[in-house]
Amino acid sequence: DVKVTQSSRYLVKRTGEKVFLECVQDMDHENMFWYRQDPGLGLRLIYFSYDVKMKEKGDIPEGYSVSREKKERFSLILESASTNQTSMYLCASSLRNEDRATYEQYFGPGTRLTVT
Amino acid sequence: AQRVTQPEKLLSVFKGAPVELKCNYSYSGSPELFWYVQYSRQRLQLLLRHISRESIKGFTADLNKGETSFHLKKPFAQEEDSAMYYCALLRQGGSEKLVFGKGTKLTVNP
Repeated sequence: DVKVTQSSRYLVKRTGEKVFLECVQDMDHENMFWYRQDPGLGLRLIYFSYDVKMKEKGDIPEGYSVSREKKERFSLILESASTNQTSMYLCASSLRNEDRATYEQYFGPGTRLTVT
Repeated sequence: AQRVTQPEKLLSVFKGAPVELKCNYSYSGSPELFWYVQYSRQRLQLLLRHISRESIKGFTADLNKGETSFHLKKPFAQEEDSAMYYCALLRQGGSEKLVFGKGTKLTVNP
């Protein structure tokens, strides 16, 4: 059973602080993702990593960076938190899979970040 | 552009009534589509994928290429179906990234 864990369920930070959100998966998946989930906007991809130290920008990377030093861990970094980054952040992982019939992304429980 | 549209933000039905959650997509070629569901206080999870042609929890979804739609249907809704539903499309170009719609919140009333 795939397990994706996120370091915090709730986080409150001040404007300007540097924020680290951690995600760990235990299934040896190559791909990892960070999304933000906002009411009325759905899920939007922030960053994607397809291997250790490899990353791609998603649809809304501004104000964020990521780090993947180990295969199982993918960190999202808010360099200088702002109030418009208040959101639910979801991490996901997937196996790089040639068999499209079984493709699936597995999600963590989410981190609700409030920036005041 | 690859895009997923879910026209209804909210959908409310009574228990036992049929339910249809709409999803339209734009994509050139053969799309790969999914429905994900998020129950209250639970993580987002895959409900079904079109390629598997499966029925999960009584839900089915048929890909209609002519109408570019992938609507999710259930003939008799249950209260436990109340959740947030997202339609998603696998992006082109060998990438394994998904494009999600904005979601539909389904409420099944007793």
